[in-house]
Amino acid sequence: GAVVSQHPSWVICKSGTSVKIECRSLDFQATTMFWYRQFPKQSLMLMATSNEGSKATYEQGVEKDKFLINHASLTLSTLTVTSAHPEDSSFYICSAEAGGGAFFGPGTRLTVL
Amino acid sequence: LAKTTQPISMDSYEGQEVNITCSHNNIATNDYITWYQQFPSQGPRFIIQGYKTKVTNEVASLFIPADRKSSTLSLPRVSLSDTAVYYCLVGRNNNAGNMLTFGGGTRLMVKP
Repeated sequence: GAVVSQHPSWVICKSGTSVKIECRSLDFQATTMFWYRQFPKQSLMLMATSNEGSKATYEQGVEKDKFLINHASLTLSTLTVTSAHPEDSSFYICSAEAGGGAFFGPGTRLTVL
Repeated sequence: LAKTTQPISMDSYEGQEVNITCSHNNIATNDYITWYQQFPSQGPRFIIQGYKTKVTNEVASLFIPADRKSSTLSLPRVSLSDTAVYYCLVGRNNNAGNMLTFGGGTRLMVKP
C-alpha cells in the first residue's frame, strides 16, 4: 500500500515556541492531505484539510492562525503549531488519499512543557 | 457523513474469532465501509473495505447486510498482537476528497 511518513515522530518543546510537523507521501502524489489530532484514550479528530497550492480548510473550532498548514508540493504538507501551550500536547496524525482509500502517517507526539 | 456506532470495548481470548459490529443507519448510496486498526502511538492502519455483501482478505472478513445499515468485521483466530482499537468509517471511496470522520472505535483486548 501507499506509504505516508511524518517527521518528527516525537517532539518536546517549551511553551510559547513553534513546532513544525511534516507529512510526506513517499510513493504517490497527494493533492489533498488531512491533519488529525488525538488525545489519550480518544478518537481521531479532524483538524483541517490540506490542499496543494491553495489554502487549507479548517474544521470548526480549530484556529487557523495557530495551526498553520502549508501544502507546497504534491508530496509534502506541513503543520506548524504556533506559540504552543501545554494544552496543545497531543498526537498529531496526517493522512493522504491514494487509489483505494486513505493512508495514515505514523503520527507525531507533541509534548509542550 | 454517516455516523457510526460501535461497542466501546470487547474482550477475547487467543485463537477465538472476534466479530465487531458497527451501525451506520444513515449510510448513503455512494458510501463505502472501511475498517481501520490502531495501535497505541501509531497511525491507523487500513484493514478492509467493502460496499455490500462480503469481502475477505488475508487478515479479515467484512460482512454487510443488504440494507447496509450495519457491518461486521470478523477477525479469525485472534492473537495477542490483535489487541488494538478498531474503527469503522463510512464515506465516499477513493479520490473524492473525502475526509474521514472517526467514531469512538472499539477497544479490543485479546487475552492469553
